[in-house]
Amino acid sequence: QKEVEQNSGPLSVPEGAIASLNCTYSDRGSQSFFWYRQYSGKSPELIMSIYSNGDKEDGRFTAQLNKASQYVSLLIRDSQPSDSATYLCAVNRGGTYKYIFGTGTRLKVLA
Amino acid sequence: EADIYQTPRYLVIGTGKKITLECSQTMGHDKMYWYQQDPGMELHLIHYSYGVNSTEKGDLSSESTVSRIRTEHFPLTLESARPSHTSQYLCASSDDYYGYTFGSGTRLTVV
Repeated sequence: QKEVEQNSGPLSVPEGAIASLNCTYSDRGSQSFFWYRQYSGKSPELIMSIYSNGDKEDGRFTAQLNKASQYVSLLIRDSQPSDSATYLCAVNRGGTYKYIFGTGTRLKVLA
Repeated sequence: EADIYQTPRYLVIGTGKKITLECSQTMGHDKMYWYQQDPGMELHLIHYSYGVNSTEKGDLSSESTVSRIRTEHFPLTLESARPSHTSQYLCASSDDYYGYTFGSGTRLTVV
């Protein structure tokens, strides 16, 4: 079992729809959770962080964390073609500052 | 402006050559990391450092070495480049809370 698992996609959604991206992790000691966006040929950029159970909203993005079920998700409202990218989930290995990345989910927003 | 810089952006080099990939940050972060990423594939941690004179190997075995003599500088060296080293190398830094900031990456091709 991988430490951080994501569906590789592609996930295709029409413009204006809500895109839902999911991530599960195996280490119950993990405390920090991040979502990164990576455009093709570019380096990842941080878009959301979440540390407590529940929802955290930032503009069109909402991160959701459920530690009991060991999953974290990212919702993108009013999806735009410019949101088309690979979304990486990152989770710290419990008790460390090392972050383990999932393989990423490729999102395609269709105009 | 605080940032993280990687040079060179692209490097094509012959087999057997020694190379050093540079990474510098002006963010004042103690923690720095090197990741390796092949096109369309996941990020693999190859080295990390929690401060000056502190370096550790990551999860992916790598023939490269790193040093951390100054807080802001974390170079990666390959003593003898081989075609199997062809990849993208991403440097990142972090504080304890807000996740990674990545550099633009170095795309290395060994011919």
